[in-house]
Amino acid sequence: EADIYQTPRYLVIGTGKKITLECSQTMGHDKMYWYQQDPGMELHLIHYSYGVNSTEKGDLSSESTVSRIRTEHFPLTLESARPSHTSQYLCASSESGDRSEQYFGPGTRLTVT
Amino acid sequence: AQTVTQSQPEMSVQEAETVTLSCTYDTSESDYYLFWYKQPPSRQMILVIRQEAYKQQNATENRFSVNFQKAAKSFSLKISDSQLGDAAMYFCAQKGGSEKLVFGKGTKLTVNP
Repeated sequence: EADIYQTPRYLVIGTGKKITLECSQTMGHDKMYWYQQDPGMELHLIHYSYGVNSTEKGDLSSESTVSRIRTEHFPLTLESARPSHTSQYLCASSESGDRSEQYFGPGTRLTVT
Repeated sequence: AQTVTQSQPEMSVQEAETVTLSCTYDTSESDYYLFWYKQPPSRQMILVIRQEAYKQQNATENRFSVNFQKAAKSFSLKISDSQLGDAAMYFCAQKGGSEKLVFGKGTKLTVNP
């Protein structure tokens, strides 16, 4: 399996709490991505980064924010969690280049009560 | 805009038999890449096979092969000699000049012993 890690794997949290989902990769990839995936559904890109200090919003609007201070680390933060944020969040990374595949982390399954 | 359509929400196959998963896509770009990803239950998503649009030859990886019909914008995945470990969600994805992956809704494959 790919060297990309996400913590926590599962999180149940109350409405209004601030949460940070961690994502780290040890492959030295410049590009990193966050996807949101409801059970049995397609992936939607919510954030991406092409390098340190570079972050962009994806195709699906999200109230979350991201940062990229180090190449290997791409955390996602929700300032005030709501039940509508309940979903699975997948982190991915890739090398630069058109044909490069994306390597996915195991995901964080978030439940907001 | 790029779109990817998987018309089979669920498929099943007998162990050792062959199954084909369908995927169609739409893009205005001439240079792009197509991927099939596998997401086993509670496990990381991994790349199954990749096809460059400029290559006419269909990609093959062991028991997995594709039927790439560029004019028809079709990209089906054939799994030969199906094994129990092939049971998973399979996602078709396309990447164009934006370097962002666009995913289909997925096909859930069940392998019956």
